[in-house]
Order: sequence, then structure tokens, then C-alpha cells
Amino acid sequence: DAKTTQPTSMDCAEGRAANLPCNHSTISGNEYVYWYRQIHSQGPQYIIHGLKNNETNEMASLIITEDRKSSTLILPHATLRDTAVYYCIVRPRAQKLVFGQGTRLTINP
Amino acid sequence: NAGVTQTPKFRILKIGQSMTLQCAQDMNHNYMYWYRQDPGMGLKLIYYSVGAGITDKGEVPNGYNVSRSTTEDFPLRLELAAPSQTSVYFCASSSTGYEQYFGPGTRLTVT
Repeated sequence: DAKTTQPTSMDCAEGRAANLPCNHSTISGNEYVYWYRQIHSQGPQYIIHGLKNNETNEMASLIITEDRKSSTLILPHATLRDTAVYYCIVRPRAQKLVFGQGTRLTINP
Repeated sequence: NAGVTQTPKFRILKIGQSMTLQCAQDMNHNYMYWYRQDPGMGLKLIYYSVGAGITDKGEVPNGYNVSRSTTEDFPLRLELAAPSQTSVYFCASSSTGYEQYFGPGTRLTVT
């Protein structure tokens, strides 16, 4: 199983782009990069996933390096409601997710 | 759609008691999952199911049982509750195996 490394915590100013890094240097060819977040006490929320191409949806963008050993989740215009723990997970499709400690992102007014 | 619903929201059990945590989804998803989250920690998978009648163990299955008789429901049974099972329990479902949709959680205390 590919392991991921994320910073423990990050801060970002409201209205700015939040860039959350994730290292996954042992990723296999069939493993996807998933991002979820958990706002205090709530169930985790799916954000985005990708295999090797960059992806964008209404919530965020996912940038995966060409060698697939790292990725960055971008929240383009962070709001106070984006304060949460963000989890980067690397797994094959449909396989059980393994949640690590994640990055605690704080958006400051 | 109600999405993923879980009952009860809160429960206090005495050591040795048993209970069933209910989970239901109305999205016709084949995949369903049970996780637990201890304070300050990430989620750990207890059991999962890829369809009605099919279940498999996750990382931390000891002390729990599941069944999946219908697509909609995936109850989690705790037998002989222990203080170590004090946690928040989340149920999730998925149609594709990519994104998982989580319920609001059940907060369980065993004393």
C-alpha cells in the first residue's frame, strides 16, 4: 500500500488559494489519489480524485506531478467554511480507504 | 435523497451490553463501509460490503459483526461492548468505488 505524507497543519488567508501538498513516492500504477476533508465532528466529505491527469471540479483542483510521486490539492478561493482536516489517500479503485492523520487547514479572516 | 442515514446519533452502553448501529442509504449504492474514529485520530475501516450478501473485514473488525441482506441497509452489531469501543462510528456508501458518501455518525460511549 502506498503511504502518504502530509503536513500536520497549514494556515491560509480567506480569499486566497489554499495549496495542500501530499507526498506519495511509493504509489503504484493502478493507485488513485483521493482527497477527502472532515469538518469538525462531521462525516468526511469527498473532494476529488485522479490517476495521473490533473482534475478540476466545483470544489477544487488536483495537480499530480508527472512522476505521480506527489500531488497538490488547490482550493482556489478559500472561505472560513473550508477550515477542516484534509486527507490525501492513495488506493486502487474500489479498495478500502485508509485515512491517515491528514492536514489541519485553518482559514483565517 | 436522504443520502446516508445513521441511527442513533448518540448512545451510552454499559460494559457487556450489545447493540446494533443502523445505516441506510437511498442511492442504490453497491459499496458500503463502516469506520470508527477515535478522538484526534483518522478513520479506521471496520467492515465493508461490495453488494448484498457480501461482506469483508477491514482493519479493526474484532468485536463487531455486520450483515448485508439488502442493498439499502448495512447494520453494525457490537457484541459484549468494551470501553475500547468508545468512538464515533461512520457509515459510508459508494456507487463507483471512487467517492464515498458518509453519514453523520453515531457517537458511542461504553462505560
